[in-house]
Amino acid sequence: GAGVSQSPSNKVTEKGKDVELRCDPISGHTALYWYRQSLGQGLEFLIYFQGNSAPDKSGLPSDRFSAERTGGSVSTLTIQRTQQEDSAVYLCASSRRQGSNTEAFFGQGTRLTVV
Amino acid sequence: AQTVTQSQPEMSVQEAETVTLSCTYDTSESDYYLFWYKQPPSRQMILVIRQEAYKQQNATENRFSVNFQKAAKSFSLKISDSQLGDAAMYFCAYRIPWNSGNTPLVFGKGTRLSVIA
Repeated sequence: GAGVSQSPSNKVTEKGKDVELRCDPISGHTALYWYRQSLGQGLEFLIYFQGNSAPDKSGLPSDRFSAERTGGSVSTLTIQRTQQEDSAVYLCASSRRQGSNTEAFFGQGTRLTVV
Repeated sequence: AQTVTQSQPEMSVQEAETVTLSCTYDTSESDYYLFWYKQPPSRQMILVIRQEAYKQQNATENRFSVNFQKAAKSFSLKISDSQLGDAAMYFCAYRIPWNSGNTPLVFGKGTRLSVIA
């Protein structure tokens, strides 16, 4: 498809389990972002990948959170030993680096519910 | 650190009327981009309008326009002739140009807009 694809769309997991959230960015986009949106709240920055540069991990809330981006394309956000406060919508976005078009294109997010 | 503030958690407007959503930001940069994104119940974030800080002319996109006041660090969104489909969360966002550093988009907390028929 032409847009940013995230999977799964919804995920229910038991407290203490690990989860993996996937993001497939738009082809050719070198920048990829993960954000977390708690119920009715704004977007909390988690991590940012830009090409081959070291990722900006400054937004990750704890060491239970990690992310990788393989081959400069698909990214996986992993949450270990999930807690109820991890319940949120996790949004992924991608954008081009070159040129003046800095618009970020978003996926539809993964709604994570920890029970 | 850059911050974006949206002081109106909720707003409402009558259909066909005009509404203005406020956004202020804090930065020491002189060149940057500002954005308004819309998030309907589907969760899909959609770019509404974009403004480059070096451009003095306010951006417009059909019924959407901005009032960009660089000195005041203010970037408000005006929606004219409001329609039921405009009901959504609206987020103001900021970033610096790529050649100034690798930084993510910084978002405000959002304004929930209701449109009354």
